[in-house]
Amino acid sequence: SYVLTQPPSVSVAPGQTARITCGGNNIGSLSVHWYQQKPGQAPVLVIFHDRDRSSGIPERFSGSNAGNTATLTISRVGAGDEADYFCQVWDRSSDQTSWVFGGGTKLTVL
Amino acid sequence: EVKLLESGGNLVQPGGSLRLSCAASGFIFTNYVIVWVRQAPGKGLEWVSGISGGGTTTYYADSVKGRFTISRDFSENTVSLQMNSLRAEDSAVYYCAKKKADYSAPFDFWGQGVLVIVSS
Repeated sequence: SYVLTQPPSVSVAPGQTARITCGGNNIGSLSVHWYQQKPGQAPVLVIFHDRDRSSGIPERFSGSNAGNTATLTISRVGAGDEADYFCQVWDRSSDQTSWVFGGGTKLTVL
Repeated sequence: EVKLLESGGNLVQPGGSLRLSCAASGFIFTNYVIVWVRQAPGKGLEWVSGISGGGTTTYYADSVKGRFTISRDFSENTVSLQMNSLRAEDSAVYYCAKKKADYSAPFDFWGQGVLVIVSS
């Protein structure tokens, strides 16, 4: 099955830019979605189809995807952005339909 | 307003069964795939199962295939997940979410989740 690899943690100072990566074999050929999950809450879709922002998500959130790495970029990071972030794709590599998540990245605002 | 409300979570013994339900409202129920995603305590997200808008096609992760059954009730706008032969590793918060029919579409809205604990 398809494997998505995320760094366990990313730390950034307030006002700086956070970049969270999601690695996978030729992930650039897939459509990548990103979810934000704050403690005790359900995940929320933030970026879909590599770079489209979900309704209500600030322009500070952006996405890119090429080669073997997809990236979620959060500019001008604030305390409210502290959360776990998960990437997700549809795994079309196997003969059965499945959806795969990365292991998640905890974003800490210093 | 879109709503997904899970119910049925509980403490169950290993080998036991449990039925989760996801009540949907605020959108055209038959236009969306409904999936179940779980999250063990302190762990990441794991897709578990899904069912097509018409209820004719079902999908299961290898970890639950043969033990879990997903179904859809169009009169109640609910999706159920029947979980049998439960194991300790099935303990998790279970979320239902909706997505468009396109396989590559995102899970665009999630319920708040329900807790399942498998323990003796």
